Amino acid sequence: EPEVTQTPSHQVTQMGQEVILRCVPISNHLYFYWYRQILGQKVEFLVSFYNNEISEKSEIFDDQFSVERPDGSNFTLKIRSTKLEDSAMYFCASSETGMVANEKLFFGSGTQLSVL
Amino acid sequence: TQLLEQSPQFLSIQEGENLTVYCNSSSVFSSLQWYRQEPGEGPVLLVTVVTGGEVKKLKRLTFQFGDARKDSSLHITAAQTGDTGLYLCAVRNTGTASKLTFGTGTRLQVTL
Repeated sequence: EPEVTQTPSHQVTQMGQEVILRCVPISNHLYFYWYRQILGQKVEFLVSFYNNEISEKSEIFDDQFSVERPDGSNFTLKIRSTKLEDSAMYFCASSETGMVANEKLFFGSGTQLSVL
Repeated sequence: TQLLEQSPQFLSIQEGENLTVYCNSSSVFSSLQWYRQEPGEGPVLLVTVVTGGEVKKLKRLTFQFGDARKDSSLHITAAQTGDTGLYLCAVRNTGTASKLTFGTGTRLQVTL
């Protein structure tokens, strides 16, 4: 089965530093997502992206966050100035169209971000 | 914003036992999905239920969507250690296919 790949698997950074988390969605998919999961808590939606623009974002996704599709294959999440509370597992996901309510999301294995 | 409450929060059972986990909300959904997440991995879709009262089976797993499409249950027969993981229900807002909202999760541990 095709996979969503994420790099790095672990990222340690100092508070206030910028981090970029990278994802390669499944090649024929059109909708991309970022989710995060703080240790022991639920999986939370951050943002969805379609046709080179943000489709929907949550309250978590403030001005410190941005997403980009810099080329035809990568999808990135940037956190400009990391805070301690940004420490979490960040999951990238993709789906074929994003237009069907019961469509399957394919998730990557995640990037564990630790902010010190 | 829908709130999907899952119960129980944690469940530890021995191999061979049966169990049921629940996903409840006060909202009505056009469809509901169940995912399983293993440690260090992303969630993986198990099933999608669409019709009120629908029952779907996936080997030893039985999924049911409530008649009113507000709740769902997952029943596992003769649990195995490989069933260990975090079980998540998830829904999309009616009319919006974009955002998938996850429930609070049930962490299942199956031991020998």
